[in-house]
Amino acid sequence: DADVTQTPRNRITKTGKRIMLECSQTKGHDRMYWYRQDPGLGLRLIYYSFDVKDINKGEISDGYSVSRQAQAKFSLSLESAIPNQTALYFCATSAGGRGSSYEQYFGPGTRLTVT
Amino acid sequence: RKEVEQDPGPFNVPEGATVAFNCTYSNSASQSFFWYRQDCRKEPKLLMSVYSSGNEDGRFTAQLNRASQYISLLIRDSKLSDSATYLCVVNIVRSNYKLTFGKGTLLTVNP
Repeated sequence: DADVTQTPRNRITKTGKRIMLECSQTKGHDRMYWYRQDPGLGLRLIYYSFDVKDINKGEISDGYSVSRQAQAKFSLSLESAIPNQTALYFCATSAGGRGSSYEQYFGPGTRLTVT
Repeated sequence: RKEVEQDPGPFNVPEGATVAFNCTYSNSASQSFFWYRQDCRKEPKLLMSVYSSGNEDGRFTAQLNRASQYISLLIRDSKLSDSATYLCVVNIVRSNYKLTFGKGTLLTVNP
């Protein structure tokens, strides 16, 4: 089984709808991240969480919210979807604490289309 | 200057060729460096970390030059399966374990 899973894998929704993307991990990592990827713009950080009680905005958090329900679960919500939120969304995890390495491990992605 | 800048590519090379990717980063406080590989419409996957002394993993060699703030990836004896986008990735400790990704360089290895 994959260490980092995302649901749904594909979603088409209409402008103004609320949508939630979910991420689960079995790696036992404390740190979780949400990114979006757009052609020509690379990966951009939306939100990140270092533990259940620690949530931080990334570089493009406007229009998004997150919830860290448990160490293993981190969800991303679009309260009122708009077409320019059409993108590929990735969840990622990394270990934390002294001596940990910084590399992140990614889920398979959710392709979101807002019409 | 962009935080992480890579060769724009794309690179098209024949099988067996040697190809090199270059990357520069703007923040001298950067602490950790990685190369990730991303196949089309798939997630990025860690290819290798980059260490100050340089490191090698099979056909792949990564180099770091802190004075020039420059990272490189060399692929020898290219295979068709090496076709992917290669992402240069940098961590700045003061940014609390966040990674900054380059936009990537697309490599196509042709038969």
